[in-house]
Amino acid sequence: QSGLTQPASVSGSPGQSITISCTGTSSDVGGYNYVSWYQQHPGKAPKLMIYDVSNRPSGVSNRFSGSKSGNTASLTISGLQAEDEADYYCSSYRSTSTVVFGGGTKLTVL
Amino acid sequence: EVHLLESGGGLVQPGGSLRLSCAASGFTFSSYAMSWVRQAPGKGLEWVSSISSSGTTIYYADSVKGRFTISRDNSKNTVYLQINSLRAEDTALYYCAKGLCDTCTLTVFDIWGQGTMVTVSS
Repeated sequence: QSGLTQPASVSGSPGQSITISCTGTSSDVGGYNYVSWYQQHPGKAPKLMIYDVSNRPSGVSNRFSGSKSGNTASLTISGLQAEDEADYYCSSYRSTSTVVFGGGTKLTVL
Repeated sequence: EVHLLESGGGLVQPGGSLRLSCAASGFTFSSYAMSWVRQAPGKGLEWVSSISSSGTTIYYADSVKGRFTISRDNSKNTVYLQINSLRAEDTALYYCAKGLCDTCTLTVFDIWGQGTMVTVSS
């Protein structure tokens, strides 16, 4: 089975809101509430932004929110800031007792 | 402060082996699942393997099953990844990651190290 499907790129202007989608199947995204989102700046390690679909770890801005409908999860960033420009990856538990990542989405703040 | 420090990467010929280590500090290591995630140059993240807090439950990606072995030494606060029969496609930055909780073995990676680079080339 292949990975989760994310758009290659999204963009938005400062202050705007953007949404990144993450599409899987009933064996992963649709079957479990174990979707996480990670932010990765160039040359840096990934950082956990959202877990269990919609939970934010301590210290993560409330401008970041997550949701899920069927086999598609979404990450929404409101009040876009220049520092949000990064790559974003979704991940999900899969029924085969494995973890699957999305291909990543490059967010550009215009 | 919670910290993960990977080591052991390097240049290795196809078919060779390496042992990666990840030293943890700043938390009760024996209470958390640990994982390895890799990232090929210019590519996305790929989960490799995870191990439960006690070390009794282990999971592998199909792409590495039979060639990679994850283990941990809770007395040394260290998790290892023995990688054998290396192939060119194993070339990547290998990250060590901590599970958010003991039961979060395959669901949430809340702390990541800076990675150790493995290059497979003749």
